[in-house]
Amino acid sequence: DSGVTQTPKHLITATGQRVTLRCSPRSGDLSVYWYQQSLDQGLQFLIQYYNGEERAKGNILERFSAQQFPDLHSELNLSSLELGDSALYFCASSVADYNEQFFGPGTRLTVL
Amino acid sequence: ELKVEQNPLFLSMQEGKNYTIYCNYSTTSDRLYWYRQDPGKSLESLFVLLSNGAVKQEGRLMASLDTKARLSTLHITAAVHDLSATYFCAGMEYGNKLVFGAGTILRVKS
Repeated sequence: DSGVTQTPKHLITATGQRVTLRCSPRSGDLSVYWYQQSLDQGLQFLIQYYNGEERAKGNILERFSAQQFPDLHSELNLSSLELGDSALYFCASSVADYNEQFFGPGTRLTVL
Repeated sequence: ELKVEQNPLFLSMQEGKNYTIYCNYSTTSDRLYWYRQDPGKSLESLFVLLSNGAVKQEGRLMASLDTKARLSTLHITAAVHDLSATYFCAGMEYGNKLVFGAGTILRVKS
């Protein structure tokens, strides 16, 4: 158990809908990262927040957004969902940049 | 932009045999990570390699890093069934973004 928690574990929804994925980092970690794992794209970095501020952006679609709250938990919002958004979404946390990232159990999103 | 390539992508091994997974990366990477993933599960950190010539070992797995060749290897010694999983290497870009290889699916047959 890495100490990173994610909810929900599974999410099934329909095209066009909006969902929110939640992540709580390890105690003491200020950085939260979101990654997407899909069969065709592999594991891709989406976005990083550090102590409430956006720090780095990767291949994140405009339909996706994230934020980190004062208690350091983070939410990833996915809207206007498409079939291709079906994937495993991981959250990771670390103390700061250049530190090891610890991954949560993931949220499996299925878009029907 | 950092790119990471692993090979092979699929490896079927007999128990007791040795094999090596290779990880090549395209540009300077701040560090190199190896992760293990069981089906439908999260990523478990195996090794963090920080500098040229770094070698780390844990049980039947040994990882090394050659920054001049931009190559990391994960060597499996005397494979056992419990090592069956998908193994990823990842480079780090800009100190925060992990760039993953495609993964190597390892199946150890008894």
